[in-house]
Amino acid sequence: AQSVAQPEDQVNVAEGNPLTVKCTYSVSGNPYLFWYVQYPNRGLQFLLKYITGDNLVKGSYGFEAEFNKSQTSFHLKKPSALVSDSALYFCAVRDVTDSWGKFQFGAGTQVVVTP
Amino acid sequence: EAQVTQNPRYLITVTGKKLTVTCSQNMNHEYMSWYRQDPGLGLRQIYYSMNVEVTDKGDVPEGYKVSRKEKRNFPLILESPSPNQTSLYFCASTTIRTGNTEAFFGQGTRLTVV
Repeated sequence: AQSVAQPEDQVNVAEGNPLTVKCTYSVSGNPYLFWYVQYPNRGLQFLLKYITGDNLVKGSYGFEAEFNKSQTSFHLKKPSALVSDSALYFCAVRDVTDSWGKFQFGAGTQVVVTP
Repeated sequence: EAQVTQNPRYLITVTGKKLTVTCSQNMNHEYMSWYRQDPGLGLRQIYYSMNVEVTDKGDVPEGYKVSRKEKRNFPLILESPSPNQTSLYFCASTTIRTGNTEAFFGQGTRLTVV
């Protein structure tokens, strides 16, 4: 069974400071890893994914994420946060061996960026 | 434009009154699923479908039904809604031909059952 943990319910950061949102996962095989963002009253928007290759993945809106296999982590990062980055962020995992497409989502982390 | 369309966006209903939330995708995806989002619980899968006429239960299927008569449509049916089904619902689709494809989500349906 696959699972995802986002240990922080909320992350507070000042505008211009680095932003990190943590995610750890558990799968029986190799993982496909994803980050989504949800703005108020909106659906989930895809940010980036790790499939294979380079452990540092770059995505939309200046976000990047680092895959660490030994720590089973896939933390989302942004070097300089903007107020407009305030949103709910979800990490998701999909097992490479699972051909049926199921995504397992974390509980979400609320990011609050203050001016 | 590739998209998943859900309707309605907002719905208030009374306990026991049957309702249907529609979902349609234009990407020819085989896999479609329904999730509910509740505070502190993230997204939990209700039902999924791997193709036409193939559906299966997710993690929280009680009180819900689905059908997949056409590839593009995957309606969610609440035969007798109860207040504990008050939630934010999302439909999603993806392809299963390549497991590395992300899921595409609809805009969500906020359901209140009184």
